[in-house]
Amino acid sequence: AQTVTQSQPEMSVQEAETVTLSCTYDTSENNYYLFWYKQPPSRQMILVIRQEAYKQQNATENRFSVNFQKAAKSFSLKISDSQLGDTAMYFCAFMKRRYSGAGSYQLTFGKGTKLSVIP
Amino acid sequence: NAGVTQTPKFRVLKTGQSMTLLCAQDMNHEYMYWYRQDPGMGLRLIHYSVGEGTTAKGEVPDGYNVSRLKKQNFLLGLESAAPSQTSVYFCASTFTPGRPDTEAFFGQGTRLTVV
Repeated sequence: AQTVTQSQPEMSVQEAETVTLSCTYDTSENNYYLFWYKQPPSRQMILVIRQEAYKQQNATENRFSVNFQKAAKSFSLKISDSQLGDTAMYFCAFMKRRYSGAGSYQLTFGKGTKLSVIP
Repeated sequence: NAGVTQTPKFRVLKTGQSMTLLCAQDMNHEYMYWYRQDPGMGLRLIHYSVGEGTTAKGEVPDGYNVSRLKKQNFLLGLESAAPSQTSVYFCASTFTPGRPDTEAFFGQGTRLTVV
């Protein structure tokens, strides 16, 4: 079974600065997806960014980008120009791609990083 | 388009009572999941389903049962509630993971308190 580890329980960043959240994972699969989800105080889970493992290019979505290191099984999230609305819990998640190996199709989450953006 | 809807949003149970949480999705997703979220523990998978009539255990299945009789619905049951089951429960759904736009859509959560 795959595991996802987020080693930073809490982080803070000054408004307009850049912050990087770390995520490592362990899997024997070769084809899979990695996600970052945001959970603001409203409790709603919101997709921030997605990476497909077969793509070498790192995904970007406006101020959000990832550093995907497949060999190292590392998937960090960089938030540029941090805004007050970025204050939230951030979860890293893993899901294997269909027809890829014999493992289960669980969608596995890390324990989360609580990010606070300071004015 | 409602997306993923969980019923109820809040519930207080007494120890030993039973209840069923309903998750309904209108996106024709094959995969559905039930998670519980506790402080400092992230989202832990209880049970999941990869299609109508199929279910599988996740990381923390004890004390819970599930059913997927219809593709759009995934039910989570607590037969005899315990205080340790006090948590926020989330349902999620996805298409079979193979599309470029694969992502999990979540319900709004159910806050369950067992006293």
